[in-house]
Amino acid sequence: DGGITQSPKYLFRKEGQNVTLSCEQNLNHDAMYWYRQDPGQGLRLIYYSQIVNDFQKGDIAEGYSVSREKKESFPLTVTSAQKNPTAFYLCASSHPGLVYEQYFGPGTRLTVT
Amino acid sequence: QKEVEQDPGPLSVPEGAIVSLNCTYSNSAFQYFMWYRQYSRKGPELLMYTYSSGNKEDGRFTAQVDKSSKYISLFIRDSQPSDSATYLCAMGGTPRGGGNKLTFGTGTQLKVEL
Repeated sequence: DGGITQSPKYLFRKEGQNVTLSCEQNLNHDAMYWYRQDPGQGLRLIYYSQIVNDFQKGDIAEGYSVSREKKESFPLTVTSAQKNPTAFYLCASSHPGLVYEQYFGPGTRLTVT
Repeated sequence: QKEVEQDPGPLSVPEGAIVSLNCTYSNSAFQYFMWYRQYSRKGPELLMYTYSSGNKEDGRFTAQVDKSSKYISLFIRDSQPSDSATYLCAMGGTPRGGGNKLTFGTGTQLKVEL
C-alpha cells in the first residue's frame, strides 16, 4: 500500500535535547512538507521541499532543521533552540504541481519536559 | 487578522442533519480551496478540493466557493456518527504565482450524535 509513515507515534524528550522525527513516503511524490499543529492554531508550515537536495523555510522555521537526501525521506530535527517544541507534527507529500492535493502521515506527538 | 478564519466549534448535530461548515479568507490570490477531515490523533485526509468559484459535489458532501465574498462552505447531508471529526479548510494560490504552500484554518470540531 502506498502512503506516508511517521515514526514514532509518541516521542518524549528532555528540554535541551535535539530530536529527529522521521517521515517516509512511497507515493513517488517529489514535494514534501512538515507542519506543526497546536490546539486553536490549525496547521502551520515549518519547511517544505519540492525536490531532492532542496528545501525552503515555511512560516515557522526557527528552531527546526530538515534534510532531503532521498526522494522518499524528509526528516525534521527539532533543536533545543525551538522555544515551544511540544506539539503534534505532521508530514505531507504531493506532486509538485498539485500542492492542493497533499497526503498526510499519521503524525508524531512530541512532548518536551 | 488571520488570512483564514474558521469557527472552531464544537458543533453538535443529530444524526441525519445537514451540516454547514464555513471559512472566510482575506487573500485574493487564493485559487484552490480544500476541505480536509481529521479524526482524533490522526493525520488529515483530503475530502474535496475546488478551483476558483463554484460548487462541487461528491456523495453526501458539497463544497461551495464564493470568491466575491471570500467565503467557502462544506455541506454534509444525512450526517452520520462516523462524520464526527475536525474539518479543516485550506487554501492556496496557483503554483506559478508562488502558491506552492497551503494556508489552513484552525478547524471546526463536529460531533454527530445518535
